[in-house]
Amino acid sequence: GAGVSQSPSNKVTEKGKDVELRCDPISGHTALYWYRQSLGQGLEFLIYFQGNSAPDKSGLPSDRFSAERTGGSVSTLTIQRTQQEDSAVYLCASSDRDRGARQPQHFGDGTRLSIL
Amino acid sequence: QQQVKQSPQSLIVQKGGISIINCAYENTAFDYFPWYQQFPGKGPALLIAIRPDVSEKKEGRFTISFNKSAKQFSLHIMDSQPGDSATYFCAASPGGANNLFFGTGTRLTVIP
Repeated sequence: GAGVSQSPSNKVTEKGKDVELRCDPISGHTALYWYRQSLGQGLEFLIYFQGNSAPDKSGLPSDRFSAERTGGSVSTLTIQRTQQEDSAVYLCASSDRDRGARQPQHFGDGTRLSIL
Repeated sequence: QQQVKQSPQSLIVQKGGISIINCAYENTAFDYFPWYQQFPGKGPALLIAIRPDVSEKKEGRFTISFNKSAKQFSLHIMDSQPGDSATYFCAASPGGANNLFFGTGTRLTVIP
């Protein structure tokens, strides 16, 4: 079946612009996660959605970052007034959390964001 | 601060050799320890995972060894193959947590 899909795969934008990154999770997966992967670093948790519950935003690095998940499926991560330090690969993952908290997280291939 | 410390940063192994990657943690609430494999341009994929109630888990050529008292766990890749060349991430999660804490990754190169 289809895996997690992210778009665009690459995004280049100028400092100060807003960007939107999209994630289509695996159909039926109730949990959705956003991570950021910077060069030479591990994956940094950003935000988590589970069903209709309030999202866990504890990993968002600043108020320039926000995310929403519409209809329990597609999610959009928005970065406002982008800065050069926002350059990274943004990864989305989904899991079938209804089957338990330790279900594998399935990752998309990420969006490589470059801020000029 | 880095909740999971991973070493080495890079590793070169001959084909057929054993690749060993180590991770250490401090948070005793961690109770789930997965390893992810990532190829260039792709997202990470779950390779193998362990809970702290066992000291070892083996799946094919991949083995996780877990030392609860030392708060360390490691990935062993037996009979390493060029196709295993990738970046490997260890991770950990406390019970009920919504996210994984990842190590900084190990870039493995297996030379023919």
